[in-house]
Amino acid sequence: TQLLEQSPQFLSIQEGENLTVYCNSSSVFSSLQWYRQEPGEGPVLLVTVVTGGEVKKLKRLTFQFGDARKDSSLHITAAQPGDTGLYLCAGARYGGATNKLIFGTGTLLAVQP
Amino acid sequence: GAVVSQHPSWVICKSGTSVKIECRSLDFQATTMFWYRQFPKQSLMLMATSNEGSKATYEQGVEKDKFLINHASLTLSTLTVTSAHPEDSSFYICSARDATSAYNEQFFGPGTRLTVL
Repeated sequence: TQLLEQSPQFLSIQEGENLTVYCNSSSVFSSLQWYRQEPGEGPVLLVTVVTGGEVKKLKRLTFQFGDARKDSSLHITAAQPGDTGLYLCAGARYGGATNKLIFGTGTLLAVQP
Repeated sequence: GAVVSQHPSWVICKSGTSVKIECRSLDFQATTMFWYRQFPKQSLMLMATSNEGSKATYEQGVEKDKFLINHASLTLSTLTVTSAHPEDSSFYICSARDATSAYNEQFFGPGTRLTVL
C-alpha cells in the first residue's frame, strides 16, 4: 500500500516556468522530508518540515507542510535545467517502528532550456 | 557532513554468483542503515532496515536468505545478493540515519548498479 501519493507523476516544462508538486496522504506524519535525485545517483535531502503549516524556502524552492501534517507541497519558481530530477517526499510516521521513512511515488521533472 | 559512500558503484556478475555491496557513513555514526531497491524512474522500495549489532528487519516479500545484511559497526553495513539472477538486476541504494537527528532524516549513498547476466 502506497501511503504517500505524489502528483504529478511526470512534468516537462520550459525554463523559467513555475511548478508545484504535491505530496498527499491520509496518514499523519511527525515530519516530512523532500529529496531530489539525479539519474544514477542517490537522493539528496533538500528540506525537513516538522510543524503543521510550516513553510520553508530554499532559494527558488518553497516547501509547505499541511496544517494537519498529512500533506506537503513543493513550489519551484522560475525553473532551471539544473532543477531536473526525481523529486521524492518521505514521511516519518508517529509511533513508527525503526525510524523508517515512507516514500512518495515520486515526481519526475524535466526542465527544457 | 552526513556523507554516505557505497562500493562498488556498479557491478556486473554472472547468474548464480554472489555480490557484496558496502555502505559506509563517513563522518557520523549510524546505528540504523536502510537498504532500498529502485527501478528506473520509480520511487524507492525499502528492502530492509539494518541495525548495528542485531539482525536486520526485512520488509514483507523480501527474501532474507537471498539478501543478506550485516551491520557489524556503527559506520558499515553490507548487503550480499546471494545466487544472483537476472531479475535481481537493479539500482541498490543505502541510507544512514544520523542518530543525533530528531527527525528521522536519512542520508543516501550514491547507489550501486547491479547487472546480472
